[in-house]
Amino acid sequence: GNSVTQMEGPVTLSEEAFLTINCTYTATGYPSLFWYVQYPGEGLQLLLKATKADDKGSNKGFEATYRKETTSFHLEKGSVQVSDSAVYFCALSGANSKLTFGKGITLSVRP
Amino acid sequence: DAGVIQSPRHEVTEMGQEVTLRCKPISGHDYLFWYRQTMMRGLELLIYFNNNVPIDDSGMPEDRFSAKMPNASFSTLKIQPSEPRDSAVYFCASSLGSTSTDTQYFGPGTRLTVL
Repeated sequence: GNSVTQMEGPVTLSEEAFLTINCTYTATGYPSLFWYVQYPGEGLQLLLKATKADDKGSNKGFEATYRKETTSFHLEKGSVQVSDSAVYFCALSGANSKLTFGKGITLSVRP
Repeated sequence: DAGVIQSPRHEVTEMGQEVTLRCKPISGHDYLFWYRQTMMRGLELLIYFNNNVPIDDSGMPEDRFSAKMPNASFSTLKIQPSEPRDSAVYFCASSLGSTSTDTQYFGPGTRLTVL
């Protein structure tokens, strides 16, 4: 079946540091890949997505590239802000539209 | 659009009581999903509907859980009787379609505590 593996957390960074959050997946067929973000006390919000191999999703300075050869979708940001502190979920959607989520990783950014 | 609306935002109840969670999807979205989030198990899909019809309820943990969608703008998730292990955040989400490229939009969630 489908599965998503995220790097273990939590992650603590200083403001303006570079961020990488690793995500790898196992799936049959050609899934779409997503990053969702959950701010404290809120629901999940779509951060970015990519629907086919080599696509790059980007939003709010975050980027992730769909790498079929390495089955990865790592999230990056060049300079994080305190307001980026949240929980980040990698997810995939297969042919049946069901989302499979990773466990999530908590990011804390210090001023 | 107001987005997906859930109520209540917080619910505290005692073991054995019936709990009803409510969801209003985004207007025009044909798919509605119910998820449960816990520290131990992460995010789990419980059930989803297409055009008000339940399509897959394989994630519903037990017969104590039931979900309905009487019309396109309203769904309920009911737990009867509730147990402490049901304590979690329950999210509702909706999407336009069912292809893998369709984005699911989540509500703010209902935090349920069963004492």
